[in-house]
Amino acid sequence: KQEVTQIPAALSVPEGENLVLNCSFTDSAIYNLQWFRQDPGKGLTSLLLIQSSQREQTSGRLNASLDKSSGRSTLYIAASQPGDSATYLCAVGGATNKLIFGTGTLLAVQP
Amino acid sequence: NAGVTQTPKFRILKIGQSMTLQCTQDMNHNYMYWYRQDPGMGLKLIYYSVGAGITDKGEVPNGYNVSRSTTEDFPLRLELAAPSQTSVYFCASTQINTGELFFGEGSRLTVL
Repeated sequence: KQEVTQIPAALSVPEGENLVLNCSFTDSAIYNLQWFRQDPGKGLTSLLLIQSSQREQTSGRLNASLDKSSGRSTLYIAASQPGDSATYLCAVGGATNKLIFGTGTLLAVQP
Repeated sequence: NAGVTQTPKFRILKIGQSMTLQCTQDMNHNYMYWYRQDPGMGLKLIYYSVGAGITDKGEVPNGYNVSRSTTEDFPLRLELAAPSQTSVYFCASTQINTGELFFGEGSRLTVL
């Protein structure tokens, strides 16, 4: 059974720092991996989608990498801003794109 | 562009009552999903559908039912509400060839 773990559970950094969020999964037979952002009381917004054949994806200050063989993904946020404060969720996709989610990392960027 | 729309946003139910959470999407997506999110937990898949007329169970289907009579709509029914169904429910959709999931804003349900 696929299990997804995110470390750390919570992170607080000063504005301007570069940071890395980690995601690990137990079964490497995945179709894709997605990173989402969730603001309090809101739905999830897709940040980056990495297909199983890809190694990384970039969008603005965000870069996500995927190492299927080791069951790991990282989300790199450059030059963090207070507006980046949110919960970040990692999810791995299997057949029919059913996603298995991690429990998330709560990020606080201090001004 | 509305995307994925869920109603109601908030609802309080008494134990044993029934209700339906509505979900509609205007992106002509084939695949639709219902997840629940409990505090401090990740999202758990309840039911999903790969097209009109086709539904299947996810990880936590007990106590719920779904139907998919049209491409746009995917309602979730709770027949006999229990306190364990207190949660935030999210509907999502995708076109399988892209895989990017689009979520609604959630429906917060409390069962007392």
